[in-house]
Amino acid sequence: SQQGEEDPQALSIQEGENATMNCSYKTSINNLQWYRQNSGRGLVHLILIRSNEREKHSGRLRVTLDTSKKSSSLLITASRAADTASYFCATDPGGSEKLVFGKGTKLTVNP
Amino acid sequence: DAMVIQNPRYQVTQFGKPVTLSCSQTLNHNVMYWYQQKSSQAPKLLFHYYDKDFNNEADTPDNFQSRRPNTSFCFLDIRSPGLGDAAMYLCATAGTSGSWNEQFFGPGTRLTVL
Repeated sequence: SQQGEEDPQALSIQEGENATMNCSYKTSINNLQWYRQNSGRGLVHLILIRSNEREKHSGRLRVTLDTSKKSSSLLITASRAADTASYFCATDPGGSEKLVFGKGTKLTVNP
Repeated sequence: DAMVIQNPRYQVTQFGKPVTLSCSQTLNHNVMYWYQQKSSQAPKLLFHYYDKDFNNEADTPDNFQSRRPNTSFCFLDIRSPGLGDAAMYLCATAGTSGSWNEQFFGPGTRLTVL
């Protein structure tokens, strides 16, 4: 069964605006990760947040994790056209070496 | 630079004609993964190797096989490709460092089945 579910499925914004994507999951995790995928390419790791962390920052990225609600959000501030991509959350069910990916949010940043 | 390399980037095969996709890594990671990703969908794990131990996902069709002759290389064999196997195939690696961290992905191989 799908572990992660992102919403929205698609998001279109103007350059300079902030973009927020949400992810929900079903089982206990050790960490939650966010990946970016440009069209036709592999995935690139963005940020990892551990289950005992509530918020983490990396450059223009801010990730929050609420384990009581089994949800996470990814905020991209001051978006750029180059941020146009699909964004996936991924969780490690039971702390295994496997990741289960959500369906992804397709972000379009218009110049 | 340390990386994950996939060859070929684009593969065209005929219905039922066996095909092999390859993945190599210079990261010296002990875990290697194969994912299938169809258009606008999430990557779906097919199987992974933890060192030499092969771990198949329960819903991976028997049509898909894998080989890992050494730490650096891993192959995905599709014995009799069907039209439904057309997809992007992604290889990824991960290393053990106490707790699991990020996976490193190759650029993918786009498979077309005619």
